[in-house]
Amino acid sequence: SQELEQSPQSLIVQEGKNLTINCTSSKTLYGLYWYKQKYGEGLIFLMMLQKGGEEKSHEKITAKLDEKKQQSSLHITASQPSHAGIYLCGARISSGSARQLTFGSGTQLTVLP
Amino acid sequence: DSGVTQTPKHLITATGQRVTLRCSPRSGDLSVYWYQQSLDQGLQFLIQYYNGEERAKGNILERFSAQQFPDLHSELNLSSLELGDSALYFCASSGSFSVGTDTQYFGPGTRLTVL
Repeated sequence: SQELEQSPQSLIVQEGKNLTINCTSSKTLYGLYWYKQKYGEGLIFLMMLQKGGEEKSHEKITAKLDEKKQQSSLHITASQPSHAGIYLCGARISSGSARQLTFGSGTQLTVLP
Repeated sequence: DSGVTQTPKHLITATGQRVTLRCSPRSGDLSVYWYQQSLDQGLQFLIQYYNGEERAKGNILERFSAQQFPDLHSELNLSSLELGDSALYFCASSGSFSVGTDTQYFGPGTRLTVL
């Protein structure tokens, strides 16, 4: 979706390295969600960010929301092969009662052992 | 396991046919969302139901329809199938319309192949 741009499209890192994935919206964000997907499988919810400046962490994954830039970043510290997969950002870009998400095109992460 | 179930897991059919995909939301969730994921279009929102009523429509074709039943399970009906309808179809559910508590949890998906 051009409304939500993810970068990079793919990333190959050596185990133990840190990495960052970015998600930028062309519209006002009313909620930003990060999911992880194994190829051909369902999406696993990672984190949700609501307020500008908000930062959340779970294990070695940290997500931040920059409301002014309408941008979120997902940072993985000391990557492991278990982190491999497709990372998708999804956003609510409507302030109405509908809650559907618009998704980015995803970032394919490969972690080499 | 997200708690959202979808059946069948795989579906292979021919052009022109009609299929029904089924989704059971997480216990207590009132909202059900349907998404389509394809290589060229990515993950696209189709339609949302809340407690049996249609709440929002996205890029859903007229050949597609959905409904949510009193027990809150939902079905997505796809008719006059075309090769381009081959995709992964996901159902997601959420519990509330309240801001901050409307995280969508996704099912494992149904892979539809149209031959």
